[in-house]
Amino acid sequence: ETAVFQTPNYHVTQVGNEVSFNCKQTLGHDTMYWYKQDSKKLLKIMFSYNNKQLIVNETVPRRFSPQSSDKAHLNLRIKSVEPEDSAVYLCASSRDKYEQYFGPGTRLTVL
Amino acid sequence: QQKVQQSPESLIVPEGAMTSLNCTFSDSASQYFAWYRQHSGKAPKALMSIFSNGEKEEGRFTIHLNKASLHFSLHIRDSQPSDSALYLCAVSPDSGYNKLTFGKGTVLLVSP
Repeated sequence: ETAVFQTPNYHVTQVGNEVSFNCKQTLGHDTMYWYKQDSKKLLKIMFSYNNKQLIVNETVPRRFSPQSSDKAHLNLRIKSVEPEDSAVYLCASSRDKYEQYFGPGTRLTVL
Repeated sequence: QQKVQQSPESLIVPEGAMTSLNCTFSDSASQYFAWYRQHSGKAPKALMSIFSNGEKEEGRFTIHLNKASLHFSLHIRDSQPSDSALYLCAVSPDSGYNKLTFGKGTVLLVSP
């Protein structure tokens, strides 16, 4: 039933390291998103891509960079992670402006 | 910038009871209003959505929107233990690409 896939499920790393998260959707959607869900469960959008083009770029630190190879894939790279980056990173996709389909998330722990 | 607030923060109801969750938003030009449900450790999943004032019912769930009051709500009839989850309301702006703004969520626990 899962149609938005994320890897890895979990990642533990140390301050200053670089990490990359992958997301793939098999729904044929044109738009993909990255969200950050913090420890209080607040879900905040970070980036949005439509057909490989960046369309939403919220105010996030420059160490975060999205990468899209095609409309089905949207990866997230974090250079030099910091403790406040510990969170669940959720990928989502949508066909139109509205309903979004989420992946299961990648839980990042920065020691 | 859109502000979305939910109440209550958490709620415990007995099985079979009616549950009511609330969401207020700040941008009167908002166009799309939705409820997402997230079970523990799982992905958020869209539950119901509405575009215009009024009510929409799907099974045990009813969504109600009052744009003039900047308020929409979710009502769950005959609440079940399987309804226990985090409920997130989401609002989308009037135009342009989707940019959902989520509330902080309501944690619902339905006790058997």
